[in-house]
Amino acid sequence: EAGVAQSPRYKIIEKRQSVAFWCNPISGHATLYWYQQILGQGPKLLIQFQNNGVVDDSQLPKDRFSAERLKGVDSTLKIQPAKLEDSAVYLCASSWGRPSPLHFGNGTRLTVT
Amino acid sequence: GIQVEQSPPDLILQEGANSTLRCNFSDSVNNLQWFHQNPWGQLINLFYIPSGTKQNGRLSATTVATERYSLLYISSSQTTDSGVYFCAVKTSGTYKYIFGTGTRLKVLA
Repeated sequence: EAGVAQSPRYKIIEKRQSVAFWCNPISGHATLYWYQQILGQGPKLLIQFQNNGVVDDSQLPKDRFSAERLKGVDSTLKIQPAKLEDSAVYLCASSWGRPSPLHFGNGTRLTVT
Repeated sequence: GIQVEQSPPDLILQEGANSTLRCNFSDSVNNLQWFHQNPWGQLINLFYIPSGTKQNGRLSATTVATERYSLLYISSSQTTDSGVYFCAVKTSGTYKYIFGTGTRLKVLA
């Protein structure tokens, strides 16, 4: 079984630029999550999709972050414009359904200079 | 919201030693997972354990949901066990997993 795929692995941008991350979940997994992990901290949920609908985006900074999951499969997370404090690892995870384990991708390490 | 605290925050072991990591949570949960984040940042599933006890090789975990804690046991530790261990919990009526504060483990050769 292929795991959760994420790209790119690394990205360096200047503040006020925009950036996008891509995630392809495990085949058949209905639930997709985007987490932000700042160095030294645990992952923090940004947004959760069930199929192509949003079920939780309470911690997503909506003035600069957006996410979509077209057709209930792949997802993209965008930041526009980026700030220095957005430097973090962005992790995508998927699960078969709500009462089932999370499976994480390798993450995208973003550095904003 | 639910609070998830892990202890100890840092742990240094000699290779071959045993250890116990603890995860305390402030509310009832219906799902709990343990993860190992390796030095390359990858989060690896260890256990999906909302209750009871499970074992996988040198690792085992126990969750006592009624008393709001979970334990991860590592026996005969190896240098490859180094990294950060997280527990993540989900409460009934919500959709999201909340991560704990993590335990940073370093195993010395």
